[in-house]
Amino acid sequence: DAGVTQTPRHEVAEKGQTIILKCEPVSGHNDLFWYRQTKIQGLELLSYFRSKSLMEDGGAFKDRFKAEMLNSSFSTLKIQPTEPKDSAVYLCASSLEGGGGYEQYFGPGTRLTVL
Amino acid sequence: GDSVTQTEGLVTLTEGLPVMLNCTYQTIYSNPFLFWYVQHLNESPRLLLKSFTDNKRTEHQGFHATLHKSSSSFHLQKSSAQLSDSALYYCALNAYKVIFGKGTHLHVLP
Repeated sequence: DAGVTQTPRHEVAEKGQTIILKCEPVSGHNDLFWYRQTKIQGLELLSYFRSKSLMEDGGAFKDRFKAEMLNSSFSTLKIQPTEPKDSAVYLCASSLEGGGGYEQYFGPGTRLTVL
Repeated sequence: GDSVTQTEGLVTLTEGLPVMLNCTYQTIYSNPFLFWYVQHLNESPRLLLKSFTDNKRTEHQGFHATLHKSSSSFHLQKSSAQLSDSALYYCALNAYKVIFGKGTHLHVLP
């Protein structure tokens, strides 16, 4: 069974650009998460979908970050416009279901550098 | 709201010594799941172990943890650290949603 896939693995953007990160969850998983990971803040939740419905959009990240789940097997995270402080690793994770103690499976991440 | 606290940002110890990484949580939910995830350098987090049952020890890959609801704790322990245990460890709570702690870096020295 394929794990979570993310593309691209690395992205370099100029300040003010729009970038789109992609994620394919594990087949059959109902929950999908987008996280930002930095050394200072650790894992920060950006968005959470259950069965394609947005359950949480990570409050502080609303204005420039938009995650979508067009179908059960594909999600995107758009950052518009990018700022240097957005430089981080963006992780996508999926789980069978949020409740019931199911683990999250993480993708390899996209390392974003904003110049 | 729910929260997870990992008090140590960095733990440094010598190979062969015991490991204990602290995790406490807050939730009004009476039956939460607690998790430990491990993230090695240049890898993504992966599940190390999880628990739902009060006062029951859970073990995996030489690590163990016991969920104590009375003290809202789920500390991660290992009897003897190995160099390969050097990694970032996250404690996570799953009540009505998943919440991660800030993480603890474990650095094992030879």
